[in-house]
Parts: sequence; structure tokens; C-alpha cells
Amino acid sequence: AQSVAQPEDQVNVAEGNPLTVKCTYSVSGNPYLFWYVQYPNRGLQFLLKYITGDNLVKGSYGFEAEFNKSQTSFHLKKPSALVSDSALYFCAVTWEGGYQKVTFGTGTKLQVIP
Amino acid sequence: DAGVIQSPRHEVTEMGQEVTLRCKPISGHDYLFWYRQTMMRGLELLIYFNNNVPIDDSGMPEDRFSAKMPNASFSTLKIQPSEPRDSAVYFCASSLSHNEQFFGPGTRLTVL
Repeated sequence: AQSVAQPEDQVNVAEGNPLTVKCTYSVSGNPYLFWYVQYPNRGLQFLLKYITGDNLVKGSYGFEAEFNKSQTSFHLKKPSALVSDSALYFCAVTWEGGYQKVTFGTGTKLQVIP
Repeated sequence: DAGVIQSPRHEVTEMGQEVTLRCKPISGHDYLFWYRQTMMRGLELLIYFNNNVPIDDSGMPEDRFSAKMPNASFSTLKIQPSEPRDSAVYFCASSLSHNEQFFGPGTRLTVL
């Protein structure tokens, strides 16, 4: 069975400061990892993914994430937060042999304070 | 492409009524997913299709829920009869093989 944990329900960060949204996962086999963002009254939007290769993945809107196999983590980061980054962020995991059945985390609400 | 299209965007109905949610995936995508999102349970995968064939419906709550995909450009999720606990936002998503999913705007269902 696969699972993903987002330990923080909410993260507050001041505008211009770096942000981190945490995600840890558990999966049998090689993981496929994703980050999605959801703005109010909208569907989820894809930000970035790790399938294989470089552990540092760059995505949309200046976001990046680092795959750490030993810590089974895939934290989302951005060097300088914008107020417009305020949204709900979801980490998701699947595995090489079962791509289609993606498990989503419970979401982390990011609040960027002006 | 217009993205994933869902209709209606909002649905208010009374307990016991039949509800049909509709989805048009992105052209060329071969996977289609139905999700349900609530505050209590988060985002739940209900069912997914590959090339119009249902692959896994283990997330469907009970027999009151059914989903079909008669062709590559259309899918429905039906609830009959509906109950207040079915109130949620229902999302349809599509993807091309082993790639990220594209979500529709969702249908907010309220069952009174």
C-alpha cells in the first residue's frame, strides 16, 4: 500500500521569505511524486513531478522540490514567496508499477503574509 | 484545448433524486479519473478509466454510485438515489499515459 503525509495543515510565511511545504511518502518500488496546487473554487493544477533523474525538480511559478530517498521526502520549496502563492498544496504519490492509482495527501494551506 | 470540462458547475437537489455529473476530458488523453473532495475525507479517487474501460472502481462508495465512459470524449458519474452525505465537490481529471493529471473545475453538489 502507498501513502503520503503532509504533516502541516497550514504554513504561514512572510512575503519575500523562502517557503517549504513538507511531504513524506511510503511506497513499494520506485516512487512517482507530484505536487499540485488548488486555488479557491478551482480544480487542482499540476506544479511539478519526480519520476527519475535529478533529485531537484523545478516546476511552475518558481517552485521546486527535492526528492530525498533516504528520508522518503519530497518537500516543496520556493526561494521567495508571493502573496499570490497563497493556496492549498497537495503532495501525491504513486509507483512505477501502479501509476494510475495516485494517492493524494490531505493538503497544506499556504498563507503568505504581506 | 479548453481543458477538462465539467457540467454542471453547481447542483442542488433533494434527497432521493438522481444526479448526473458530466465530464469531457482533454482530447487525446487515455486516462480519466473521478474524485470526490470533502473537508472531512479530503480528496478521494472514486474510479478511473483507461481507453474508456473502467479499471478500478474500488473507491466508489456504494451501489448508488455508477460511472460510464461511452466514448473517449465523455464520461458520467451518476448517483441514484442521492443522500445528504453525498454533498461534496466532484472532480474529473484526465491524463496521457504516465503523466500528470489535468483537473476540471469541479461540480459542487449539495443534497438537501
